Amino acid sequence: AQKVTQAQTEISVVEKEDVTLDCVYETRDTTYYLFWYKQPPSGELVFLIRRNSFDEQNEISGRYSWNFQKSTSSFNFTITASQVVDSAVYFCALSEALSFQKLVFGTGTRLLVSP
Amino acid sequence: DVKVTQSSRYLVKRTGEKVFLECVQDMDHENMFWYRQDPGLGLRLIYFSYDVKMKEKGDIPEGYSVSREKKERFSLILESASTNQTSMYLCASSSGEPGETQYFGPGTRLLVL
Repeated sequence: AQKVTQAQTEISVVEKEDVTLDCVYETRDTTYYLFWYKQPPSGELVFLIRRNSFDEQNEISGRYSWNFQKSTSSFNFTITASQVVDSAVYFCALSEALSFQKLVFGTGTRLLVSP
Repeated sequence: DVKVTQSSRYLVKRTGEKVFLECVQDMDHENMFWYRQDPGLGLRLIYFSYDVKMKEKGDIPEGYSVSREKKERFSLILESASTNQTSMYLCASSSGEPGETQYFGPGTRLLVL
C-alpha cells in the first residue's frame, strides 16, 4: 500500500532563514511519481513539482530545491532565504503507475514565515 | 494555463439537504477527481472519473455520489448531508497519461448545520 508521511506538522522560521520540509514515502511499485503542492491561505492547491521514480536528479527552481533519494524513500523540499509569501501548507503526494493516477497525500506541513 | 473552477467557495446547508458541488475544467482533461480535506488528515479521494459517464470509488465514497455527463464537468452529490460532511472539498483534473499532474480548483468550504 502506498503511504506518504510528513512528520513536521508546523514549522516557524524568520524571514531569510532556510527551511527544509521532509517527505517520506512507501510504495511497492517500481514506477511511481512524487509531487509537492503549496496551499496558501486562499485554499487552492498550487502545483510545485513532479518527479518520476527513475529520475533522482535534484532540482532547483529559484529559491526552491528538491532532494529525491530512493535509498531513504525521501523527497525533501528546501526553501532558501524564506519569505513571508512562502507561508502556506505544503503537501507531498505519491502516485503509483498502476493506481490510475490516484494521489495519496501526506498530512501537510504548515510553514509560518515571520518578518 | 489550466483552469479548474468550482461553483461555490463557501456553502452552508442543513442536515438532510441534497447538496451539489460542481466542478468545471477547461483543458479537455480525461480525468477528474473529488477530494475532501480535513485538518490532520490531508486530502482524501472520494471519487474519480476517467471518462464521461465513468466513475470509480476512491477511499471514502460513503455518503457521496458523482455525475459526469460532459467531459468538462464533474459533480459531487451529497444525497442527504450530515454534519460529518462539513469539510473543504477540492476538485482536480488531469490528462490521461500515467503520473500526470493533477490541477486543483479553489475549493468549496461546506458547512452542514
